[in-house]
Amino acid sequence: DTAVSQTPKYLVTQMGNDKSIKCEQNLGHDTMYWYKQDSKKFLKIMFSYNNKELIINETVPNRFSPKSPDKAHLNLHINSLELGDSAVYFCASSPKPLRAGAYGYTFGSGTRLTVV
Amino acid sequence: QKEVEQDPGPLSVPEGAIVSLNCTYSNSAFQYFMWYRQYSRKGPELLMYTYSSGNKEDGRFTAQVDKSSKYISLFIRDSQPSDSATYLCAMSAGTALIFGKGTTLSVSS
Repeated sequence: DTAVSQTPKYLVTQMGNDKSIKCEQNLGHDTMYWYKQDSKKFLKIMFSYNNKELIINETVPNRFSPKSPDKAHLNLHINSLELGDSAVYFCASSPKPLRAGAYGYTFGSGTRLTVV
Repeated sequence: QKEVEQDPGPLSVPEGAIVSLNCTYSNSAFQYFMWYRQYSRKGPELLMYTYSSGNKEDGRFTAQVDKSSKYISLFIRDSQPSDSATYLCAMSAGTALIFGKGTTLSVSS
């Protein structure tokens, strides 16, 4: 049973389209994250939710909108996709938000987004 | 200056070699230090975790943190071809983990 699962694994779409990526964790963790990994493998935090509440919102274009219907799910919706949005998007979870760095994160296997 | 600096490599070593991977950082508030391993087309997985300064050993892996120098290291002894992956350092002052760019390691048999 996968701990953090993301769908889809691959997504190829045209510029200007709107797309969503879904993430679910079955670890009972309170906190979930979206990270973006660019072509140079650099992982950068985008958002974090704790128990459905947004707690981290880095400098990300407002075309990106996260949604957390419950603490086990965190989805990412992207409007008006651009070429520069091509990357691998990772969902992760951790037990707690405070001192979250103390627990380490469990990552999903990523969604490879290609915008053409 | 980026918060976390890591040489991306690539680093190529023969099987059995000792590997040293390093990161430097600028934020003195960081107190949680981790190493993640990422295989190609997979998500990162936690390898080692250290709180504050000191050493931690787990099998062939040793993590070291020197807060006075703002420098962390991961040593891999008796490296194996299965260790070929990208190694990412990560650290936190208490909120989100900040990652280095990762070092790509290749161990040849």
